[in-house]
Amino acid sequence: SQQGEEDPQALSIQEGENATMNCSYKTSINNLQWYRQNSGRGLVHLILIRSNEREKHSGRLRVTLDTSKKSSSLLITASRAADTASYFCATDDMDSNYQLIWGAGTKLIIKP
Amino acid sequence: DTAVSQTPKYLVTQMGNDKSIKCEQNLGHDTMYWYKQDSKKFLKIMFSYNNKELIINETVPNRFSPKSPDKAHLNLHINSLELGDSAVYFCASSHSTLGYQPQHFGDGTRLSIL
Repeated sequence: SQQGEEDPQALSIQEGENATMNCSYKTSINNLQWYRQNSGRGLVHLILIRSNEREKHSGRLRVTLDTSKKSSSLLITASRAADTASYFCATDDMDSNYQLIWGAGTKLIIKP
Repeated sequence: DTAVSQTPKYLVTQMGNDKSIKCEQNLGHDTMYWYKQDSKKFLKIMFSYNNKELIINETVPNRFSPKSPDKAHLNLHINSLELGDSAVYFCASSHSTLGYQPQHFGDGTRLSIL
């Protein structure tokens, strides 16, 4: 079942700008992961944030998690053309045998 | 070296045919998955195996039958293909079933039913 909902569905920005994508979920979770999918390729894991963490950084990526609002955001700073991809959040649902529940993704386009 | 490889990359076939997709991972992972991604990019888990044992079997028509000969391989056989089976099928693997383990994906098999 789909749990996560990414917002916006699509985002188009100029190279060099920051891109922010949001993910909302419905149930209690242990962890939330973000993945990137380039066109015609499989998903690639970017970053994981645990339910007891509020913020995490990895290079140009910054992830926040607000468990009270059941939402997470992914910020990509100083965007590059190579960041053009779809971005998905995935949560591990405590009630579903720890399988990952996936959002519908945000399609990010970086204009040169 | 490709970590998770699946073949074929493209599969075009007639309705009613039977086809198989193969997946292999060289990461030493215990857990493997099959996902279906539809045209709207929704990713849906189909099956999950841990050390060759089926642990997740979502509501999938029984025309779909996974088979794991060893923990490095997970194949998917589909009988009597239907138009609605057209999608991209992804194989993935992870160290274990625990939810904090990142999943590693193959590049997908694009199945088109004529």
